[in-house]
Amino acid sequence: EVQLVESGGGLVQPGGSLRLSCAASGFTFSTYDMHWVRQVTGKGLEWVSAIGTLGDTYYPGSVKGRFTISRESAKNSLYLQMNRLTAGDTALYYCARGTTVTPGRAGPGDDAFDLWGQGTMVTVSS
Amino acid sequence: DIQMTQSPTSLSASVGDRVTITCRASQSISRDLNWYQQKPGKAPKFLIFAASSLQSGVPSRFSGSGSGTDFTLTISSLQPEDSATYYCQQSYSIPLTFGGGTKVEIK
Repeated sequence: EVQLVESGGGLVQPGGSLRLSCAASGFTFSTYDMHWVRQVTGKGLEWVSAIGTLGDTYYPGSVKGRFTISRESAKNSLYLQMNRLTAGDTALYYCARGTTVTPGRAGPGDDAFDLWGQGTMVTVSS
Repeated sequence: DIQMTQSPTSLSASVGDRVTITCRASQSISRDLNWYQQKPGKAPKFLIFAASSLQSGVPSRFSGSGSGTDFTLTISSLQPEDSATYYCQQSYSIPLTFGGGTKVEIK
């Protein structure tokens, strides 16, 4: 079955760290860009990070310098290391597979998200 | 960063109605616009890519149009299972950004 399964969420104090994992199965993980997208309860979607097939990484300004995305193709796994967490990082974090939707272009900046996990909840609170 | 603005933020319509949701980009994004459907407690589902191409398995009552800065998602005949929140997303440039969502309810 083609799926993504996130884990590693939980309660962490402000200023703390957490590492999320995403296990991929049913497809050739190494050939896809991968992303993290988060959603505050009751709010919209926010793209958090991306990693290309060659290991190139991308972040929005809100997490740049605090979050690090990585992948391990031998384990079909995606990771998100989150440091210096604040209350504003409290959200449900989704792992998502990227698919290039523009002919002639390729890379995480050209991606839509065609497969999503069920999400893992991160709560930053004292 | 490219801002994506959806309207309306919510709507209520009857089964069989034609429903249109609008998404506007703060700058031209060509046709690099995608749509998702999210039901409560579930992950988003990929509906439409490149403004108007239907993802495999998505019912044909869903359609998309537009280019440049203005885009629409249309449900030609609303069904009970279409009750959800719909999001647009631009894939023109990093950072990838989403619209704020449109909640569709059934009367």
